[in-house]
Amino acid sequence: ETGVTQSPTHLIKTRGQQVTLRCSSQSGHNTVSWYQQALGQGPQFIFQYYREEENGRGNFPPRFSGLQFPNYSSELNVNALELDDSALYLCASSWDSNQPQHFGDGTRLSIL
Amino acid sequence: QKEVEQDPGPLSVPEGAIVSLNCTYSNSAFQYFMWYRQYSRKGPELLMYTYSSGNKEDGRFTAQVDKSSKYISLFIRDSQPSDSATYLCAMRVTSGTYKYIFGTGTRLKVLA
Repeated sequence: ETGVTQSPTHLIKTRGQQVTLRCSSQSGHNTVSWYQQALGQGPQFIFQYYREEENGRGNFPPRFSGLQFPNYSSELNVNALELDDSALYLCASSWDSNQPQHFGDGTRLSIL
Repeated sequence: QKEVEQDPGPLSVPEGAIVSLNCTYSNSAFQYFMWYRQYSRKGPELLMYTYSSGNKEDGRFTAQVDKSSKYISLFIRDSQPSDSATYLCAMRVTSGTYKYIFGTGTRLKVLA
């Protein structure tokens, strides 16, 4: 049990739509990161939040955005969905930068 | 060239065998090294977390880091069918963005 929960577990959208994915971290986990994992690949870093501010971003376009809230929950928002956005989206959190990240089970997003 | 290289497998071994999983990397700034196990339809589960070169043991698992060769390994002793999963190596630099770089994962199947 990692203490990281994600919702929904599975979502189906169509091209051009917008989606919001949610993550609830363990209390005290100030750092949250989001990753995209395509089938057969390792997770790819999207961005990281520390105490509600974005402090790192991977090679993803601005239509991927996020929020972190004081209650240790966070969101990943994706606008103008494309077929290539179909993937497993993972949330990971930790106490601080010296501790390893713990992952939720992800949201599987399918774009039709 | 990818920053982290990992053989995708699949790797099939008989129950009780010693399994060796490996990753190589090119960025000498990587200082933290992790191994995650990922079952189908689940998020990555942290197995090992290490900072220094050398060996770290936890039960049936041993993580080995050789920074001079930019090579890390995970050994699984007395492998069990329940070890069948995808094993992901991950690494990050010591400062700056708390970004993990993952390998593609190695699929392992332990045959009963």
